[in-house]
Amino acid sequence: DAGVIQSPRHEVTEMGQEVTLRCKPISGHNSLFWYRQTMMRGLELLIYFNNNVPIDDSGMPEDRFSAKMPNASFSTLKIQPSEPRDSAVYFCASSFQLAATYEQYFGPGTRLTVT
Amino acid sequence: AQSVAQPEDQVNVAEGNPLTVKCTYSVSGNPYLFWYVQYPNRGLQFLLKYITGDNLVKGSYGFEAEFNKSQTSFHLKKPSALVSDSALYFCAVRDASNTGKLIFGQGTTLQVKP
Repeated sequence: DAGVIQSPRHEVTEMGQEVTLRCKPISGHNSLFWYRQTMMRGLELLIYFNNNVPIDDSGMPEDRFSAKMPNASFSTLKIQPSEPRDSAVYFCASSFQLAATYEQYFGPGTRLTVT
Repeated sequence: AQSVAQPEDQVNVAEGNPLTVKCTYSVSGNPYLFWYVQYPNRGLQFLLKYITGDNLVKGSYGFEAEFNKSQTSFHLKKPSALVSDSALYFCAVRDASNTGKLIFGQGTTLQVKP
């Protein structure tokens, strides 16, 4: 298996622009998680899905952030409009919840820089 | 609420010496505990987990962790550290919602010096 795939790996954009991050979970996994990592705030859970349904989006910082999971093999995290404080590494992770083992497998991350 | 604490921001050890990275937890019910490692510019990698059974859990790269219920701890250990073990280590616990969510600690940077 290729593992969790994220694209792009790096994104540089100007303040006010729309940014879309993409994730393909491991085939067969039914839970998907979006995290953000910064030096100041560490690793933060933004939102997670079970069976394509958002379960908890309380970590989404504000309405500028939105996430979708239209099917079991694809998810997007969108920031519109982007701001410099959104600069961070964004990780996607997936797991197979029904196995009751719960370990999550992380993608390589997208490093976002908003200037 | 479930939580984990990693009391050390950084741990420094010499290569060849044993290492310990500390983690304590607070949970309702049985704890499901995890360790992850993050190398520079990489995603988190799963190292090992404790669900039930033997209190000493063995994982990847020669790491092991000891579950101690009375001390509510789950410390990560390795008998002989390598320079290549230098990385950021996260302890995590399963959330009580039983939805697959993990609660991560703040991370501990391990520095192994030659």
